Amino acid sequence: EPEVTQTPSHQVTQMGQEVILRCVPISNHLYFYWYRQILGQKVEFLVSFYNNEISEKSEIFDDQFSVERPDGSNFTLKIRSTKLEDSAMYFCASIPLASGRPYEQYFGPGTRLTVT
Amino acid sequence: EDKVVQSPLSLVVHEGDTVTLNCSYEVTNFRSLLWYKQEKKAPTFLFMLTSSGIEKKSGRLSSILDKKELSSILNITATQTGDSAIYLCAVTGGFKTIFGAGTRLFVKA
Repeated sequence: EPEVTQTPSHQVTQMGQEVILRCVPISNHLYFYWYRQILGQKVEFLVSFYNNEISEKSEIFDDQFSVERPDGSNFTLKIRSTKLEDSAMYFCASIPLASGRPYEQYFGPGTRLTVT
Repeated sequence: EDKVVQSPLSLVVHEGDTVTLNCSYEVTNFRSLLWYKQEKKAPTFLFMLTSSGIEKKSGRLSSILDKKELSSILNITATQTGDSAIYLCAVTGGFKTIFGAGTRLFVKA
């Protein structure tokens, strides 16, 4: 069964460094999401992305964050200058179509980001 | 502000018990309500509900949406220790998805 993959599984970085989290959505999926989950807290929506554009973003997704689909398979989340409070699990998710019809989101296994 | 509220926050039951988890929401441009199970890492999909009153069922789990009351319930019958997890309710509105804080279920043997 096809699945969403994410790399790395765990990233440790120093405060102020840039990190890029990578996701490979399921191949025929067109709509992508990033979420984060701070340890012990709820899953928070960051951004949704379709056709090389951000569809919607939350107030968490400030100028320090950016997303990109650099090629036909990868979907990346970049944090420009990490802060301690960026430490969290970051999940990528995708859905098959972009029509806005409701679909279940397929989640990747997550990347645990630790900022020291 | 969009929000999804789940109750109870945590629940401890014995194997064989039936549990009901609640989710209420206020989300603009409602599209769907989803239930997920989260054990160690990523949420795994359980149900997606878009229409009121239609029960979705999968084995011992079932769920129903009430769009008039802006709520949903997830039932688990004959609980097993393997059902121990955090159950997440999420509502898609527009192009974003809002998650509730989850209900942590612990099933004792």
